[in-house]
Amino acid sequence: AQSVTQLGSHVSVSEGALVLLRCNYSSSVPPYLFWYVQYPNQGLQLLLKYTSAATLVKGINGFEAEFKKSETSFHLTKPSAHMSDAAEYFCAVSDQLGGGFKTIFGAGTRLFVKA
Amino acid sequence: DADVTQTPRNRITKTGKRIMLECSQTKGHDRMYWYRQDPGLGLRLIYYSFDVKDINKGEISDGYSVSRQAQAKFSLSLESAIPNQTALYFCATSDPWTGADTGELFFGEGSRLTVL
Repeated sequence: AQSVTQLGSHVSVSEGALVLLRCNYSSSVPPYLFWYVQYPNQGLQLLLKYTSAATLVKGINGFEAEFKKSETSFHLTKPSAHMSDAAEYFCAVSDQLGGGFKTIFGAGTRLFVKA
Repeated sequence: DADVTQTPRNRITKTGKRIMLECSQTKGHDRMYWYRQDPGLGLRLIYYSFDVKDINKGEISDGYSVSRQAQAKFSLSLESAIPNQTALYFCATSDPWTGADTGELFFGEGSRLTVL
């Protein structure tokens, strides 16, 4: 079974600083990988996804992630944090299941942005 | 209006009570899911349904049941609620027909359940 590990349950950065949220996955086959973001009192929304088309994936709000097969990693980055980036971020992998997919989530990383 | 709507958004109940959480969607997706979110544990799959006649258990289905009343409706029931079912519950949908099928999920805003 596939699994996802997010390193760090909380990350704090200053406004304007680099954001780096780490994600490692276990998979025996090329996976579909996702980052979702959850703002307070809201559901999750897709930030970006890797579907094997390109290893560097660009998402919404200036975020991007790089798929590194040799490291089984899919870390999320943003060059300059903004206060509005404060949220919880979930890395996820799709596991093929019967006629569809089952998505497995990491435990989440809460991002704090300091003024 | 939201594409995936959950009701109620908040519910406080007592141990032993029966609770139903409802989900309806206007996205026209065949696949629907119920997840539970707990702090530090991420989201865990309770049940999923790939079409109206298909219901499957996820990794934590004990104590829960579901009903897929129509393509657009998927309800989660707690027959006899217990305190450790206190959590944030999410309904989600996915669509296998939009070109590359990757399992991308579309979420409702969540139903916060507290069992006293």
